[in-house]
Amino acid sequence: EAQVTQNPRYLITVTGKKLTVTCSQNMNHEYMSWYRQDPGLGLRQIYYSMNVEVTDKGDVPEGYKVSRKEKRNFPLILESPSPNQTSLYFCASSLLGAETQYFGPGTRLLVL
Amino acid sequence: GNSVTQMEGPVTLSEEAFLTINCTYTATGYPSLFWYVQYPGEGLQLLLKATKADDKGSNKGFEATYRKETTSFHLEKGSVQVSDSAVYFCALSVSNFGNEKLTFGTGTRLTIIP
Repeated sequence: EAQVTQNPRYLITVTGKKLTVTCSQNMNHEYMSWYRQDPGLGLRQIYYSMNVEVTDKGDVPEGYKVSRKEKRNFPLILESPSPNQTSLYFCASSLLGAETQYFGPGTRLLVL
Repeated sequence: GNSVTQMEGPVTLSEEAFLTINCTYTATGYPSLFWYVQYPGEGLQLLLKATKADDKGSNKGFEATYRKETTSFHLEKGSVQVSDSAVYFCALSVSNFGNEKLTFGTGTRLTIIP
């Protein structure tokens, strides 16, 4: 089954404790992206990647890092999480230029 | 920059009612337009899309027409069901040097009462 998976689905952590949210897709998509969803703001892009070793900032990249060492994986790294990063995070992927993006189930993060 | 404005929710309707969720956009270039749906506890799923002016996207009884003259992409369904209860997002995409970024509206929560 074609899908985008994220782990963990739920995470509670404390300020400053490094964490990684994994994202994996099995559709051989070149393009992958991370969004955060906040009430009243919709979804905003954090980072994106057009292929292996090619990543760039989206609209709200501060406090986040990403890497793309393999085509299928695109982890989101919070080196020193802060409470303002409490949010619902979605990973998405698509064939480059295909327009239709496929979303993962989301990761709900609470930073205390 | 690009932006999407959609109808504030929540919206509550009775089963078999007619649904309209308004969406207008501002964009540079020639955007593609989308409606995504988010069912409780799930990720976003593409509901329908339109890639050029006057195109009509349709799926599962939902329709939306790309109106360039009014910069709108309103979502409609003639007879809603309880299973349509979800959050609906209007979005646009203008490819920018390979970034397929979606710009989303704030979402409209729809609840259908039996």
